[in-house]
Parts: sequence; structure tokens; C-alpha cells
Amino acid sequence: KNQVEQSPQSLIILEGKNCTLQCNYTVSPFSNLRWYKQDTGRGPVSLTIMTFSENTKSNGRYTATLDADTKQSSLHITASQLSDSASYICVVSVITGANNLFFGTGTRLTVIP
Amino acid sequence: NAGVTQTPKFRVLKTGQSMTLLCAQDMNHEYMYWYRQDPGMGLRLIHYSVGEGTTAKGEVPDGYNVSRLKKQNFLLGLESAAPSQTSVYFCASSYSDNTEQYFGPGTRLTVT
Repeated sequence: KNQVEQSPQSLIILEGKNCTLQCNYTVSPFSNLRWYKQDTGRGPVSLTIMTFSENTKSNGRYTATLDADTKQSSLHITASQLSDSASYICVVSVITGANNLFFGTGTRLTVIP
Repeated sequence: NAGVTQTPKFRVLKTGQSMTLLCAQDMNHEYMYWYRQDPGMGLRLIHYSVGEGTTAKGEVPDGYNVSRLKKQNFLLGLESAAPSQTSVYFCASSYSDNTEQYFGPGTRLTVT
């Protein structure tokens, strides 16, 4: 069964600290893995997209890693800011068709001053 | 360039009432999608379209209908709303089936 699981469900960190969010998936055949940021009351916004051959990708203070062998990904946030408070959603895509995305339930990150 | 817009932002319906949610995109994307987001669950695909005049069912299509008469618009209809359809609805669009999806701001629907 195609599944995407994220951990932890929620996380609270102090401003300026780093954190790492995890994503494990059983989706196949794998096409790409995406991380989205969703602010409260807003739609998800793409942070990174990684294909099978990419094992790390950065977008500013966000760095995503992918281990396609173990089917794991992580999103590392460096020097967190209050504006990083949001839900972070891991999405895995299979190769064929438009109905091809599998969404995790997200990690709710709260950054406190 | 507004990206993806949705109207309305909020709506309260009584059971049995009907309504239409409108999604518009100005990026000339071929693919458009309707999702619902419920607490503790990932986004679930309701219906999608791969081009003007085409529609297809997603994971949870029951109780919804869609139309794509113009490339830039994708309408989601509820013919007879039920409390189980209380949710936040997101529209998205993409250039093709495996490129980045751009999401709208969402519509919060409550059915009493």
C-alpha cells in the first residue's frame, strides 16, 4: 500500500535553533519527493522537489535529503525564524498519471521567541 | 500574475443545499486539481483535469462534480451538501502531471 508517514506530528523549538523533520514512504514506482510549507489558513507552497538521483537539495535555510534505497527523506531547517512556524508536508509522486501524489499528514512546527 | 485564486474563501451551508466553488489560474497550466484537507489527514484528491473539457475522478469523488469549460477555470460543485463535506478545499494547477503544483488559498466550507 502506498503510504507517506511523517514524524514528529508536532515540534516546538526556540528561535535560532535547528530542527529536522522526517518522512518515510512506501510509494512505488517512485518519481519524485516534494516538501511543501503550509502556513495557517493558506495553501501549501513548494520548498523542494527531488528526483531519484538527487540526494540533497537546498532552498535557503531549508535543506532536504533523500535516501531512495531506504525510502526516507528529511527536511532540515537551519537557524529557525518565527516565520518558519507552519505545517511541513511531504509528498511522494509515482511515475504515471495525474492522480499520482501521495501526501503525508504533515509536521506542525512552532518556533517560539 | 495572481497564480491560483479561489472563491469564496468561506461558506456555511445547510444540509441539502448546493454550491459551486470556483478556481482560476493565470499560468496557462493544463492540469488542475481539487483537494480536500481534513484534520489529521493528508490532502486527498477529489477530481482533476488534464486539459480544457476533460475531467477525471480522484480518490474521494463521491458527492462532488466538476467542470472545466475554460482552460483557466475549474469548478467544483456540491449538489446536495452533507456534514461529511465540511472541510477545507484547495485547488491546484500544474504544467504537466509531474511538475510542481501551485495551490490556491483554500475555501473553508462548513455544512450544518
